[in-house]
Amino acid sequence: ETGVTQTPRHLVMGMTNKKSLKCEQHLGHNAMYWYKQSAKKPLELMFVYSLEERVENNSVPSRFSPECPNSSHLFLHLHTLQPEDSALYLCASSQEFISNQPQHFGDGTRLSIL
Amino acid sequence: AQSVTQLGSHVSVSEGALVLLRCNYSSSVPPYLFWYVQYPNQGLQLLLKYTTGATLVKGINGFEAEFKKSETSFHLTKPSAHMSDAAEYFCAVSDQRAAGNKLTFGGGTRVLVKP
Repeated sequence: ETGVTQTPRHLVMGMTNKKSLKCEQHLGHNAMYWYKQSAKKPLELMFVYSLEERVENNSVPSRFSPECPNSSHLFLHLHTLQPEDSALYLCASSQEFISNQPQHFGDGTRLSIL
Repeated sequence: AQSVTQLGSHVSVSEGALVLLRCNYSSSVPPYLFWYVQYPNQGLQLLLKYTTGATLVKGINGFEAEFKKSETSFHLTKPSAHMSDAAEYFCAVSDQRAAGNKLTFGGGTRVLVKP
């Protein structure tokens, strides 16, 4: 398997549930990213990990909790979400955390909050 | 802070016609520049990038873009549209002066290709 894989592809959850999104990259990259894509808004960077250390937390509410256990895996733990959190969540990776490196994206998890 | 403007949230072209998608950035120092495409129910796929060197950059699927410093632009073109080009296109920049790799995206342009 190649590229960046995200699971699940679709998730429906209630506001009181706890769930996790998973991202796995098979590219040997050292940096991984979470983005939120909402309708009618530009992509928003949420978190960045470089060499398994969190290097960016872009003012994201604490109901989103990232985890990077190794350089190939990235999780986004969700709890007590709000309806406005419904969106497409995209994971990406890059060779290094350097500005000339292109980011490679997964197909996303479509999250719906009831 | 940098910003990226994509003129036109929707573009309609006929099959075989020129595709032109506009991207302008605001930055005193030229950033690194990227174009991505997003097909329905998929993530973003890199079309091409400009970091240094020749200002006319060729990408996948017959697309190319030209970096024009004087116009702070990085417009994307394709000479002849195919039905398969129907998708949303995003221009993105990253600040070459900054540590790290944080992309700033434009709002996207959705392309409709008419038979």
